[in-house]
Amino acid sequence: AQRVTQPEKLLSVFKGAPVELKCNYSYSGSPELFWYVQYSRQRLQLLLRHISRESIKGFTADLNKGETSFHLKKPFAQEEDSAMYYCALTKSGGYQKVTFGTGTKLQVIP
Amino acid sequence: NAGVTQTPKFQVLKTGQSMTLQCAQDMNHNSMYWYRQDPGMGLRLIYYSASEGTTDKGEVPNGYNVSRLNKREFSLRLESAAPSQTSVYFCASSDPVSGNTIYFGEGSWLTVV
Repeated sequence: AQRVTQPEKLLSVFKGAPVELKCNYSYSGSPELFWYVQYSRQRLQLLLRHISRESIKGFTADLNKGETSFHLKKPFAQEEDSAMYYCALTKSGGYQKVTFGTGTKLQVIP
Repeated sequence: NAGVTQTPKFQVLKTGQSMTLQCAQDMNHNSMYWYRQDPGMGLRLIYYSASEGTTDKGEVPNGYNVSRLNKREFSLRLESAAPSQTSVYFCASSDPVSGNTIYFGEGSWLTVV
């Protein structure tokens, strides 16, 4: 069974401080990992995918297969980063369901 | 391009009443989903449809039924609403052509009293 664990329900950081949102997964196979974000009063939307290896809004995430982790990082937090962040996993290829973690609320303190 | 559209946006039900949440997507996606979002519980999958004509139970299917009416539409029905079903419901769709990225609707706020 596939599982995604986000150990922190709430993460509070000061503006300008580094941010790391943790995500660990369990899956036997080749996973695809995603980070989704939900800003206040907006729908959930994709932030980034591991296979794209891109930086979005200053966020990056590296897939560490050895540690089965996909932590989301940003060197300097901004107030507009305050949101709910969800890590998600699916199996590569074909029509596969997506499993989400329980989410981490990021609060950036001015 | 509307993406994923779900209705209604808000609904109050009495315990025991039934209702159907409607969802449609215009992206020609094969897979569609219904999630519920509760504080501290994150997103939990209720039902999933990999393609037209198929549906599968997710983590929390009890008390719900779904219908994949066609490729575009995927409805969620509460036959006899209970207060425990008070939640925010999200419909979503994805497809390998889009890299399995999930596209969400705006959510439906359901309160059962």
